[in-house]
Amino acid sequence: AQSVTQLGSHVSVSEGALVLLRCNYSSSVPPYLFWYVQYPNQGLQLLLKYTSAATLVKGINGFEAEFKKSETSFHLTKPSAHMSDAAEYFCAVSNSGNTPLVFGKGTRLSVIA
Amino acid sequence: DAGITQSPRHKVTETGTPVTLRCHQTENHRYMYWYRQDPGHGLRLIHYSYGVKDTDKGEVSDGYSVSRSKTEDFLLTLESATSSQTSVYFCAISQGQRTDTQYFGPGTRLTVL
Repeated sequence: AQSVTQLGSHVSVSEGALVLLRCNYSSSVPPYLFWYVQYPNQGLQLLLKYTSAATLVKGINGFEAEFKKSETSFHLTKPSAHMSDAAEYFCAVSNSGNTPLVFGKGTRLSVIA
Repeated sequence: DAGITQSPRHKVTETGTPVTLRCHQTENHRYMYWYRQDPGHGLRLIHYSYGVKDTDKGEVSDGYSVSRSKTEDFLLTLESATSSQTSVYFCAISQGQRTDTQYFGPGTRLTVL
Protein backbone atom coordinates (compact mmCIF):
# COMPACT_ATOMS: atom_id res chain seq x y z
CA ALA A 1 0.00 0.00 0.00
CA GLN A 2 1.13 3.50 -0.72
CA SER A 3 1.34 6.21 1.90
CA VAL A 4 2.48 9.78 2.38
CA THR A 5 3.95 11.40 5.48
CA GLN A 6 4.11 15.15 5.82
CA LEU A 7 6.45 16.20 8.60
CA GLY A 8 5.05 19.09 10.61
CA SER A 9 1.36 19.84 10.72
CA HIS A 10 2.16 23.54 11.05
CA VAL A 11 5.11 25.52 9.71
CA SER A 12 5.66 29.19 10.38
CA VAL A 13 8.10 31.37 8.42
CA SER A 14 8.86 35.06 8.15
CA GLU A 15 8.00 36.95 5.00
CA GLY A 16 10.94 36.67 2.62
CA ALA A 17 12.34 33.54 4.25
CA LEU A 18 12.76 30.13 2.66
CA VAL A 19 9.75 27.86 2.68
CA LEU A 20 10.42 24.13 3.10
CA LEU A 21 7.55 21.68 3.46
CA ARG A 22 8.51 18.06 3.84
CA CYS A 23 6.92 15.03 2.21
CA ASN A 24 8.05 11.42 2.32
CA TYR A 25 6.28 8.64 0.49
CA SER A 26 6.08 4.90 0.54
CA SER A 27 5.44 3.12 -2.71
CA SER A 28 5.99 -0.34 -4.11
CA VAL A 29 5.96 0.99 -7.66
CA PRO A 30 7.58 4.06 -9.21
CA PRO A 31 5.48 6.87 -7.80
CA TYR A 32 3.85 9.86 -9.34
CA LEU A 33 3.76 12.68 -6.80
CA PHE A 34 1.68 15.79 -6.41
CA TRP A 35 1.54 18.93 -4.27
CA TYR A 36 -1.78 20.70 -3.79
CA VAL A 37 -2.56 23.97 -2.02
CA GLN A 38 -5.78 24.86 -0.24
CA TYR A 39 -6.61 28.46 0.61
CA PRO A 40 -9.16 29.09 3.36
CA ASN A 41 -12.68 27.97 2.49
CA GLN A 42 -11.66 26.77 -0.96
CA GLY A 43 -11.01 23.50 -2.74
CA LEU A 44 -7.58 22.13 -3.57
CA GLN A 45 -5.49 23.50 -6.41
CA LEU A 46 -2.56 21.74 -8.04
CA LEU A 47 0.82 23.36 -7.37
CA LEU A 48 3.00 20.88 -9.24
CA LYS A 49 3.42 17.21 -10.07
CA TYR A 50 6.24 14.75 -10.69
CA THR A 51 5.65 12.31 -13.51
CA SER A 52 9.22 10.98 -13.98
CA ALA A 53 10.21 13.44 -16.72
CA ALA A 54 12.55 15.49 -14.49
CA THR A 55 13.43 15.21 -10.83
CA LEU A 56 13.22 18.96 -10.21
CA VAL A 57 9.69 20.14 -10.85
CA LYS A 58 8.65 23.76 -11.06
CA GLY A 59 5.13 24.77 -10.23
CA ILE A 60 2.96 27.80 -9.90
CA ASN A 61 3.60 30.80 -7.61
CA GLY A 62 7.38 30.19 -7.48
CA PHE A 63 7.20 26.78 -5.81
CA GLU A 64 9.33 23.82 -6.79
CA ALA A 65 9.92 20.30 -5.53
CA GLU A 66 12.67 17.76 -6.00
CA PHE A 67 12.08 14.04 -6.29
CA LYS A 68 14.77 12.07 -4.43
CA LYS A 69 14.30 8.37 -4.87
CA SER A 70 17.09 7.41 -2.45
CA GLU A 71 15.39 9.42 0.30
CA THR A 72 11.80 8.66 -0.82
CA SER A 73 11.15 12.36 -0.54
CA PHE A 74 9.40 15.08 -2.49
CA HIS A 75 9.92 18.24 -0.46
CA LEU A 76 8.31 21.51 -1.53
CA THR A 77 10.36 24.72 -1.47
CA LYS A 78 10.05 28.39 -2.28
CA PRO A 79 13.02 30.75 -1.94
CA SER A 80 11.11 33.69 -0.51
CA ALA A 81 7.79 33.44 1.32
CA HIS A 82 5.00 35.88 0.60
CA MET A 83 2.03 36.64 2.79
CA SER A 84 -0.23 35.20 0.10
CA ASP A 85 1.44 31.78 0.51
CA ALA A 86 -0.34 31.24 3.82
CA ALA A 87 -2.47 28.16 3.18
CA GLU A 88 -2.60 24.43 3.76
CA TYR A 89 -0.43 22.23 1.57
CA PHE A 90 -1.03 18.58 0.74
CA CYS A 91 1.34 16.04 -0.73
CA ALA A 92 -0.19 13.08 -2.58
CA VAL A 93 1.01 9.94 -4.32
CA SER A 94 -0.55 8.17 -7.24
CA ASN A 95 -1.30 4.54 -6.66
CA SER A 96 -0.83 1.85 -9.25
CA GLY A 97 -3.17 1.64 -12.19
CA ASN A 98 -6.15 3.93 -12.11
CA THR A 99 -6.77 3.95 -8.38
CA PRO A 100 -7.12 7.28 -6.59
CA LEU A 101 -4.51 9.51 -5.03
CA VAL A 102 -3.38 8.94 -1.46
CA PHE A 103 -2.97 12.21 0.45
CA GLY A 104 -0.82 13.21 3.37
CA LYS A 105 -2.45 14.89 6.35
CA GLY A 106 -1.40 18.35 5.28
CA THR A 107 0.87 21.13 6.51
CA ARG A 108 -0.49 24.52 7.38
CA LEU A 109 1.89 27.31 6.41
CA SER A 110 1.78 30.62 8.26
CA VAL A 111 3.74 33.62 7.01
CA ILE A 112 4.68 36.27 9.55
CA ALA A 113 5.18 39.87 8.49
CA ASP B 1 -11.02 26.46 -13.38
CA ALA B 2 -12.40 23.00 -13.97
CA GLY B 3 -16.17 23.00 -14.26
CA ILE B 4 -17.13 21.35 -11.01
CA THR B 5 -19.99 22.41 -8.81
CA GLN B 6 -21.17 20.97 -5.54
CA SER B 7 -24.57 21.38 -3.95
CA PRO B 8 -25.51 22.32 -1.40
CA ARG B 9 -22.48 24.32 -0.25
CA HIS B 10 -23.61 24.29 3.36
CA LYS B 11 -26.05 22.03 5.17
CA VAL B 12 -27.11 21.53 8.75
CA THR B 13 -29.10 18.43 9.50
CA GLU B 14 -30.10 16.24 12.43
CA THR B 15 -28.86 12.83 13.42
CA GLY B 16 -30.74 10.04 11.69
CA THR B 17 -31.89 12.00 8.66
CA PRO B 18 -30.84 11.08 5.11
CA VAL B 19 -28.62 13.51 3.25
CA THR B 20 -27.60 13.62 -0.41
CA LEU B 21 -24.74 15.71 -1.75
CA ARG B 22 -24.39 16.35 -5.45
CA CYS B 23 -21.32 16.82 -7.60
CA HIS B 24 -21.76 18.04 -11.15
CA GLN B 25 -19.02 18.36 -13.79
CA THR B 26 -18.96 19.83 -17.26
CA GLU B 27 -15.57 18.39 -18.28
CA ASN B 28 -16.73 14.92 -19.38
CA HIS B 29 -14.04 13.34 -17.17
CA ARG B 30 -14.38 9.64 -16.62
CA TYR B 31 -13.35 9.52 -12.95
CA MET B 32 -15.12 11.19 -10.04
CA TYR B 33 -14.26 11.03 -6.37
CA TRP B 34 -15.73 11.92 -2.99
CA TYR B 35 -13.41 12.86 -0.14
CA ARG B 36 -13.99 14.10 3.35
CA GLN B 37 -11.64 16.53 5.06
CA ASP B 38 -11.24 16.58 8.81
CA PRO B 39 -8.63 18.37 10.95
CA GLY B 40 -5.60 16.17 11.49
CA HIS B 41 -6.68 13.65 8.88
CA GLY B 42 -6.17 15.43 5.59
CA LEU B 43 -8.34 14.15 2.77
CA ARG B 44 -9.71 10.65 2.95
CA LEU B 45 -11.39 8.90 0.07
CA ILE B 46 -15.00 7.83 0.60
CA HIS B 47 -15.99 6.40 -2.78
CA TYR B 48 -15.01 6.90 -6.36
CA SER B 49 -16.44 6.19 -9.79
CA TYR B 50 -14.62 5.11 -12.92
CA GLY B 51 -17.61 5.33 -15.22
CA VAL B 52 -21.39 5.46 -15.31
CA LYS B 53 -22.72 2.91 -12.82
CA ASP B 54 -19.13 1.85 -11.94
CA THR B 55 -18.12 2.70 -8.40
CA ASP B 56 -15.76 1.45 -5.74
CA LYS B 57 -15.17 1.99 -2.05
CA GLY B 58 -12.49 4.10 -0.51
CA GLU B 59 -10.82 4.20 2.87
CA VAL B 60 -13.82 5.55 4.83
CA SER B 61 -16.89 4.24 3.00
CA ASP B 62 -18.93 2.97 5.97
CA GLY B 63 -22.21 4.86 6.28
CA TYR B 64 -22.01 6.28 2.75
CA SER B 65 -23.38 5.20 -0.61
CA VAL B 66 -22.92 6.68 -4.06
CA SER B 67 -24.59 6.63 -7.43
CA ARG B 68 -23.60 7.72 -10.90
CA SER B 69 -26.30 7.43 -13.54
CA LYS B 70 -24.80 10.07 -15.84
CA THR B 71 -21.23 11.02 -16.65
CA GLU B 72 -21.68 14.49 -15.24
CA ASP B 73 -23.27 13.70 -11.88
CA PHE B 74 -21.97 11.84 -8.84
CA LEU B 75 -24.18 11.65 -5.76
CA LEU B 76 -23.08 10.92 -2.22
CA THR B 77 -25.76 9.74 0.20
CA LEU B 78 -25.64 9.46 3.95
CA GLU B 79 -28.51 7.06 4.63
CA SER B 80 -28.79 8.03 8.29
CA ALA B 81 -26.50 10.88 9.23
CA THR B 82 -24.43 10.70 12.42
CA SER B 83 -22.45 13.39 14.22
CA SER B 84 -19.21 11.68 13.16
CA GLN B 85 -20.11 12.56 9.57
CA THR B 86 -19.84 16.27 10.30
CA SER B 87 -17.12 17.27 7.87
CA VAL B 88 -16.24 19.13 4.71
CA TYR B 89 -16.90 17.03 1.63
CA PHE B 90 -14.99 17.52 -1.60
CA CYS B 91 -15.72 16.16 -5.01
CA ALA B 92 -12.89 15.72 -7.50
CA ILE B 93 -12.63 14.66 -11.13
CA SER B 94 -9.88 13.32 -13.36
CA GLN B 95 -9.42 11.60 -16.66
CA GLY B 96 -8.10 8.58 -14.77
CA GLN B 97 -4.46 8.07 -15.65
CA ARG B 98 -1.81 7.92 -12.93
CA THR B 99 -0.27 11.19 -14.01
CA ASP B 100 -3.55 13.03 -14.29
CA THR B 101 -4.38 15.99 -12.13
CA GLN B 102 -7.41 15.68 -9.93
CA TYR B 103 -9.50 18.82 -10.03
CA PHE B 104 -11.45 19.69 -6.94
CA GLY B 105 -14.81 21.27 -6.37
CA PRO B 106 -15.43 24.04 -3.82
CA GLY B 107 -16.63 21.70 -1.08
CA THR B 108 -19.77 21.17 1.00
CA ARG B 109 -19.71 21.87 4.71
CA LEU B 110 -22.04 19.43 6.46
CA THR B 111 -22.98 19.70 10.11
CA VAL B 112 -24.90 16.89 11.77
CA LEU B 113 -26.46 17.89 15.09
